[in-house]
Parts: sequence; structure tokens; C-alpha cells
Amino acid sequence: EIAVTQSPAALSVSPGDRASLSCRASQSVGNYFAWFQQKPGQPPRLLIYSASTRATGVPARFSGSGSGTEFTLTISSLQSEDFAVYYCQQYKMWPTFGQGTKVDMK
Amino acid sequence: QVHLEESGGGVVQPGTSLRVSCVASGFTVNRYTMSWVRQAPGKGPELVAVILYDESKKFYADSVKDRFTISRDISQNTVFLHMTSLRTEDTAVYYCVRDREEGYASGVTAYWGQGTLVIVSS
Repeated sequence: EIAVTQSPAALSVSPGDRASLSCRASQSVGNYFAWFQQKPGQPPRLLIYSASTRATGVPARFSGSGSGTEFTLTISSLQSEDFAVYYCQQYKMWPTFGQGTKVDMK
Repeated sequence: QVHLEESGGGVVQPGTSLRVSCVASGFTVNRYTMSWVRQAPGKGPELVAVILYDESKKFYADSVKDRFTISRDISQNTVFLHMTSLRTEDTAVYYCVRDREEGYASGVTAYWGQGTLVIVSS
């Protein structure tokens, strides 16, 4: 099983700031990588797949980068609705998720 | 519009069985790979079962292999997860999930239901 490690576990950001979240896979997954946003009481929402492709309806302030074992989700200018938990996922082999990064307000 | 509605969760005792259901609308389940993903309180999601769009194969996480069974009923446009020998560590919200691509298992879990809560406790 491919392990996925997210960092940091929590991130305090002010509205309008840039936020960068990282994930590392235990072995190369190419670009079979996705990012999700989850708010309390809601299911995860797909933001990015194929490492850098935005899902339908996802604002352009969300961008994904990376390949192989290192990946980054960047939120260019944080809006109030972006405070949430973010999960990354590899799907090169049996899909596995990270443990999440909580983005809260500074 | 894609919609997935889960039901059947509840509180059960260890060692018992439970079946959760997922009624799909806006598409037909025989054209998409469907999965069940669970999320324990405060934890990241975990994929537990997958049924390919053509039902040619089914896959399970090691943690549930030989205990859980995924199936579907095309006439009801519904996907099921039958869980047996339940353990306290199976406690989680169970989400029904649809693949992004029609007729192909892309691995991208694009559409999620609201989930149904299963609590295994004595």
C-alpha cells in the first residue's frame, strides 16, 4: 500500500493570504494524484485530479502541482469559504488518502 | 445532475451484520465504477470496496476482505455494501462514490453522497 503523508497538520491563514499544502507519497505515483476539500458535516469535495486539473466548478484560485512523490495544493488568495480540511489522495494503486491539513483563520 | 443517497446506517453490536444502500440518480450505475469510502471520526477517508462499471471485478481493502461485499441492482439503480462480522473499528461514515469517467475506472472519486453513519458498539 502506498502511504500518503500531509504537512502541515494545521495551517493558520488570514483571508487574502496565499496557502500552500504539501503531500508526499511513499513511492512514485506519477500524476495519479487528487486533492479534496471537506467542511464539517459534508462529504469530501474533489478539487484537483491528475495532480493539476481542476474539477468542474472549482475556482481558479486553487491550483495543484507536482509529480512522482511530491505534490502541492496552492490557494492563491484565501476566501472565507476556503477554511476547511484538505485531503490528498493517490490513485496509482489502491487509492489511499492523507490524514488531512486543517486550514483555519489566523 | 448526479445524486447519491445513502441509507441503512445505525448502531449495531460487534459481530453482527448490516447492509447499507446507495440510490443513484442522474446516471445509471451500470455505466460507472462505484465505490464505498468510509471515514472514521477525525480521520482521513479510507476506500473499502469497488465494483467496476461492467461488474467484471470487485475489489476490497484488506481491512474488510472476506467480511464486506459490494453489489448492485441495476433495476433499482442502487449499490449496496453488505457488512458482516462487524468490529468496533468499522465505526465510520460510509460514503457512496462515483468515478469521474463513464465506462472506465479512472480512479478519480468525483461524486460523493452525504454518507450514512455506522456505529459498532456493545
